[in-house]
Amino acid sequence: GQQLNQSPQSMFIQEGEDVSMNCTSSSIFNTWLWYKQEPGEGPVLLIALYKAGELTSNGRLTAQFGITRKDSFLNISASIPSDVGIYFCAGTPGGTSYGKLTFGQGTILTVHP
Amino acid sequence: ETGVTQSPTHLIKTRGQQVTLRCSSQSGHNTVSWYQQALGQGPQFIFQYYREEENGRGNFPPRFSGLQFPNYSSELNVNALELDDSALYLCASSFARVNTEAFFGQGTRLTVV
Repeated sequence: GQQLNQSPQSMFIQEGEDVSMNCTSSSIFNTWLWYKQEPGEGPVLLIALYKAGELTSNGRLTAQFGITRKDSFLNISASIPSDVGIYFCAGTPGGTSYGKLTFGQGTILTVHP
Repeated sequence: ETGVTQSPTHLIKTRGQQVTLRCSSQSGHNTVSWYQQALGQGPQFIFQYYREEENGRGNFPPRFSGLQFPNYSSELNVNALELDDSALYLCASSFARVNTEAFFGQGTRLTVV
């Protein structure tokens, strides 16, 4: 089945640093979503991307839908302690699979004050 | 506007028992999807319900079943529980069958002993 490879698996950074993480798929996706999950909570939607090449921002977060439609990137600028959590990419290939989100394994982000 | 709510938040069951988890979708959403999230993993798609009918299913055995009600709330039923069913079960609601911008509840933590 489809798999999303998300990297890095974990990151330990200092407050104020920028963060980059990415996600690659073995097949073409027509929607990419980025979620953040904190302990004991469900994932919270951060950014949704719908078109190849699209670059979308949400505050200090910026995400891009890769031109090949097989990858996506999330950047966090000037990190703060509340950015701590697990970040997941998710996508759907559309067509008959439009109802199913495939998730990456997650990137665990730790921010040291 | 009310968000996605799930009940119960925690549950302990014995192997072989049956369990029912409940989800109220976000106001205005007509589609509910269920996901299983094992510890340290990304969520895995179980199935989706749209207008009270199953609309896509992931790689889960038939002992995982569901229902959607006219008010778009949903139930996930798992029969003959196995130890490996221990996980966080997440419900996500969205509008229409295209699962973009799916919003998640806080999840139900199921422990099978």
